[in-house]
Amino acid sequence: SQTIHQWPATLVQPVGSPLSLECTVEGTSNPNLYWYRQAAGRGLQLLFYSVGIGQISSEVPQNLSASRPQDRQFILSSKKLLLSDSGFYLCAWALQGGSEQYFGPGTRLTVT
Amino acid sequence: AQSVTQLDSQVPVFEEAPVELRCNYSSSVSVYLFWYVQYPNQGLQLLLKYLSGSTLVKGINGFEAEFNKSQTSFHLRKPSVHISDTAEYFCAVRSLPFDYKLSFGAGTTVTVRA
Repeated sequence: SQTIHQWPATLVQPVGSPLSLECTVEGTSNPNLYWYRQAAGRGLQLLFYSVGIGQISSEVPQNLSASRPQDRQFILSSKKLLLSDSGFYLCAWALQGGSEQYFGPGTRLTVT
Repeated sequence: AQSVTQLDSQVPVFEEAPVELRCNYSSSVSVYLFWYVQYPNQGLQLLLKYLSGSTLVKGINGFEAEFNKSQTSFHLRKPSVHISDTAEYFCAVRSLPFDYKLSFGAGTTVTVRA
């Protein structure tokens, strides 16, 4: 069966510091991968998605970037964090041609 | 582009009472529809989905939803809730045929009280 991992689970970082969040999927090949952000009391905002290695689509211009160095690895990065980057970051995957997305456990990021 | 509106941001309900969460969507093309549940500090879990066929869809944990194309709605129901159903619920839509993305509503927080 397929599983999705995210780490770290929680992170506290000062303003201006770099960020790297990692997501990996097991048990499937060539999945579509997604990064979402959930701010407190708000819905899910799609940040990036990828349909293959090296293929990244950005939904919202911002302080973040994403990379997909391997088929089942998706990384969310920032060179300098802002206070507004605080939130709950969720990674998700979907089968190519599939209908639904499957979510990871999330990373709680607090920028201080 | 599609959009999703969840009509209630918070729904308080007593244990063993029924609950309905309302979801309306807009799209110029055919859609897939989903309901997800999120427990505190966890990821989202798929409750149920509508792809085609019967408009009444049954999901996990006793939930069901009805797709109404003319009213562009996909309301979620449960006849008798438990304390453990306290969570946030998200409606989502995916436009067909080639959209890889889901659009989510703002969420409905359900609080079940004894």
